[in-house]
Amino acid sequence: AQSVTQPDIHITVSEGASLELRCNYSYGATPYLFWYVQSPGQGLQLLLKYFSGDTLVQGIKGFEAEFKRSQSSFNLRKPSVHWSDAAEYFCAVAAGNFNKFYFGSGTKLNVKP
Amino acid sequence: SQTIHQWPATLVQPVGSPLSLECTVEGTSNPNLYWYRQAAGRGLQLLFYSIGIGQISSEVPQNLSASRPQDRQFILSSKKLLLSDSGFYLCAWRSGRVNTEAFFGQGTRLTVV
Repeated sequence: AQSVTQPDIHITVSEGASLELRCNYSYGATPYLFWYVQSPGQGLQLLLKYFSGDTLVQGIKGFEAEFKRSQSSFNLRKPSVHWSDAAEYFCAVAAGNFNKFYFGSGTKLNVKP
Repeated sequence: SQTIHQWPATLVQPVGSPLSLECTVEGTSNPNLYWYRQAAGRGLQLLFYSIGIGQISSEVPQNLSASRPQDRQFILSSKKLLLSDSGFYLCAWRSGRVNTEAFFGQGTRLTVV
């Protein structure tokens, strides 16, 4: 069965520090992978997506993610975190003839001043 | 451009009462439609998805049902709400093409009392 795992429930980083949020997927074929961000009480906004080609993808707000097939991972990174980045982040995979769209359990990011 | 509307934004319902949440999409045709529930600390759970009018797939057994009476309308219902139905419900749509992301509504906060 297809699944997405985000092993970190909460992460706290200092403003200006680098950030890496982990995501591992389980899927037999090449997956379509996504990262979303959710502010409290709001819907989800797409940060970036991977379909094929270059394994390092750039997104909005200075985020990037790297697809590593050997590790079944799609980790999200940002070189310098801003206080406005505090939110919950979700990794997602399109599966099942790509009609199904599954999310990980999310990682809440806190940013210390 | 495409937009997705979800209402109501908040809802407080007594146990045993019925439920109807509505989601409509504008600016696209034959979208894939999704209902998710987000319970505190549990990420986004896929409840239902639909690839066409009258075609509903359920991901988990539950007290809820979904219907798609029109191409761009997706309804989440219950005949009798349970306390455990409380949560944040999100509607989403995707193009029928495989290499596309999901776009989300602003969500409905349902509290069953």
